[in-house]
Amino acid sequence: QITLKESGPPLVKPTQTLTLTCTFSGFSFSTTGVAVGWIRQPPGKALEWLALIYWNDDKRYSPSLKTRLTITQDPSKNQVVLTLTNVDPVDTATYYCALWRYDAFDFWGQGTVVAVSS
Amino acid sequence: QSVLTQPPSASGTPGQRVTISCSGSSSNIGNNYVYWYQHLPGTSPKLLIYRNDQRPSGVPDRFSGSKSGTSASLAISGLRSGDEAEYYCATWDGSLSGPVFGGGTKLTVL
Repeated sequence: QITLKESGPPLVKPTQTLTLTCTFSGFSFSTTGVAVGWIRQPPGKALEWLALIYWNDDKRYSPSLKTRLTITQDPSKNQVVLTLTNVDPVDTATYYCALWRYDAFDFWGQGTVVAVSS
Repeated sequence: QSVLTQPPSASGTPGQRVTISCSGSSSNIGNNYVYWYQHLPGTSPKLLIYRNDQRPSGVPDRFSGSKSGTSASLAISGLRSGDEAEYYCATWDGSLSGPVFGGGTKLTVL
């Protein structure tokens, strides 16, 4: 059974760095073509892709957020970590991690709500 | 402003057939597979259609997808109240080197 679960602080202050962790199970991150990605959804708005990290450590970032994002993996812990620097209230959103296979996010975590406010 | 364009809303009565469109360009839909996600309130998005017209195991055949050129569409037949959700199209964008989502279509069953 494939599961992914996001964890992180529910509240961060403007200009701080947000660190989110995705802990997964039920699949091997060493399988060719597999990746884990992060997607967010601000309140009342659409889904927005943020970053992808592949089994071979290849990384892709949304061009609009590239300078603020870092995605890393810890295979020994079955975790993928996303950091977003210099947060602003517009970064308030539900953040999801998801399994990327066959060119699609086919399993999603439950999401974690993050508010940016002073 | 999303890279892929969807109508913000769609509606139908129980039993009806509705379609949701998704428009893109040659850098995304025109040269890549299209995927559709169903996002029910209070849940995580669920993959509904992959590779333009394929259904994952467990997705009813009431849901179907198609693609032509730089556009795609999702059709839902035999509409049910449980189909009320936000529907998103998605694909890979070669210019952005990453996946892109549409703006979402909120489906209301009247």
